[in-house]
This record gives sequence, C-alpha cells and structure tokens, in this order.
Amino acid sequence: GEDVEQSLFLSVREGDSSVINCTYTDSSSTYLYWYKQEPGAGLQLLTYIFSNMDMKQDQRLTVLLNKKDKHLSLRIADTQTGDSAIYFCAESPHAGFQKLVFGTGTRLLVSP
Amino acid sequence: DAGVTQSPTHLIKTRGQHVTLRCSPISGHKSVSWYQQVLGQGPQFIFQYYEKEERGRGNFPDRFSARQFPNYSSELNVNALLLGDSALYLCASSWDTYEQYFGPGTRLTVT
Repeated sequence: GEDVEQSLFLSVREGDSSVINCTYTDSSSTYLYWYKQEPGAGLQLLTYIFSNMDMKQDQRLTVLLNKKDKHLSLRIADTQTGDSAIYFCAESPHAGFQKLVFGTGTRLLVSP
Repeated sequence: DAGVTQSPTHLIKTRGQHVTLRCSPISGHKSVSWYQQVLGQGPQFIFQYYEKEERGRGNFPDRFSARQFPNYSSELNVNALLLGDSALYLCASSWDTYEQYFGPGTRLTVT
C-alpha cells in the first residue's frame, strides 16, 4: 500500500539543527521528496533523493535515506525563523508516471 | 522566470454547481499534475497529463475531469460540487514528471 507518515510538530530554537523524519511503505519508490509549504502558499520543492542513494546534501539541507527501514529524514542546519513552515515528505510509487504520495506534514516552529 | 500560474486564486461556489480551474505550466514543461489539499492534510493526487495524454488518475469520482491543451496548459473540472470538495487545488508542472514544481493553488470553498 501507499502510506507516508510524519510526526506532526517540531519546535526548535534559532541556530539549532532541525531533523524531520518520515517513514514510507512502498519499497518500489524511485524518488523521495521534501517539500516546504508556508501559510496560504503552494508547495516549494526543497530537495529529492534517488532510491539508490543514502545521503544527499544541498547547502543547509541534508537528506538521509535508509531504504531497508523505509525511513527518510531531512536535517536543516542553522535553522532560521524563516524556516518555520510545514514540511512534507513524498514518495513516488508508480513506474511510468510520477504520482506523488504525501505525508500529513510536519509543522516546524523556529523560535528566536 | 515565470513559475506555475493558477487561476482563479479564490473561488466560492454553491453545492451542485460546476467549477473550472486553470493552470499554466513553467515554459518548456510538458507535464501537468493536479492535487487536492484539504485543510490540515497533505495533497492528494488527482490527475497527471503528459503531452496532452492522461498518464494517471487518483482515487477521485468521475465528477472530476481534466484536460491538457496543445500549449500544455490544463483545466481541472469538477461537476456537482459537494461541501467536501472545499480544498486548495494545486497544479504542478514538470519537464520529465520527476521534479514537480507547484503553483500557488486555487482555494475553492463550496457552500
């Protein structure tokens, strides 16, 4: 089946690192994604990782993939108040077309 | 560069009415996908079109339909609106269907 689970809330202080976790169910997913959504806005593609990779780093963002446990994480270094938003993990379980299956989102609150 | 654009921004309709939502993809992108995001949840896949052909359909009733035009823009149509259709409707475009870039969405309220 297709299911993506995330914790609902994460609160950190400015300057700390944030780690947002996600578990997915479909082992055939070829790509796994992280999106950011600010209030009243659409989704911003932050980064994605191919399923044969363990880690991907992009500036302050580090994605770790444990394919055996179907666990994905997003680490944000030096978290800023502007990083406060909802973060969605998504898997793409279908070959032939890229349907994204999203989690319910993790609300990140960064306090000064 | 212009991103994905959607119109209208907001829409209020009455139960039983019909609605058409529009999406213009990023220039050069040939694929458009539609998602429904109910308040407090993640987006749910509705349709994907690539080169004007339907590539995939989510678990939505036949009241939902879509099409893609020769210029790659797309319309999402919903007939016989229900209160439960109230949501943010998101359009995403991609060149190869892997990197999907989302528009700002259309917020539909059904009363």
